[in-house]
Amino acid sequence: DIQMTQSPSSLSASVGDRVTITCRASQSVGNYLNWYQQKPGKAPKVLIFAASSLQSGVPSRFSGSKYGTDFTLTISSLQPEDFATYYCQQTYSPTWTFGQGTRVEV
Amino acid sequence: QLQLQESGPGLVKPSETLSLTCTVSSGSISSTNYYWAWIRQPPGKGLEWIGYFSDSGNTYYNPSLKSRVTISLDTSKNHFSLRLSSVTAADTAVYYCARAGEYNILTGLMVLDHWGQGTLVTVSS
Repeated sequence: DIQMTQSPSSLSASVGDRVTITCRASQSVGNYLNWYQQKPGKAPKVLIFAASSLQSGVPSRFSGSKYGTDFTLTISSLQPEDFATYYCQQTYSPTWTFGQGTRVEV
Repeated sequence: QLQLQESGPGLVKPSETLSLTCTVSSGSISSTNYYWAWIRQPPGKGLEWIGYFSDSGNTYYNPSLKSRVTISLDTSKNHFSLRLSSVTAADTAVYYCARAGEYNILTGLMVLDHWGQGTLVTVSS
């Protein structure tokens, strides 16, 4: 199985901060990497697909990048509505896996 | 706008089978280039992919659950289902159904772009 390891597991930040979350794959997943945001009591929603493509309707302060098997999600200027938990997911293998999540809190 | 809605018992006894249905509206589950998936989330924990039914009729399951899981489609009712057998307290979770769209036909990149609201299933006697 492909393991996805996110770091940090949680972080504290303030409105206006630049926030970076990392996801490391245990083997190559190409660009088959998606990022999701989940707010309490809600279903996740996709932010970034194919490592760096912004989903329609998602603010441009969200961006994604890839460095080998390391992927990053960056929020350029944290907004109040961005406090949530973020998950990476690989769909390279037929058996998909999620990272364990990163909680962004005040 | 595509909508998905989970339904099924909220309480299941240990050793029994958990059965959930996801009804799809404003879209057909027979469409090509879409997969129909189940994901779960134990209380206070992260997301766990359970499996999916692909547009070619294949099913793929999480290896840790494979021996107990079945995902099926009913095109006549436009819904798909999850069965998880021999449940224990560790299977207590919010269960989500979701559609994965093929965002890149050349590479086959799949993205979970539509989700149901989720339903809590508790395993307890």
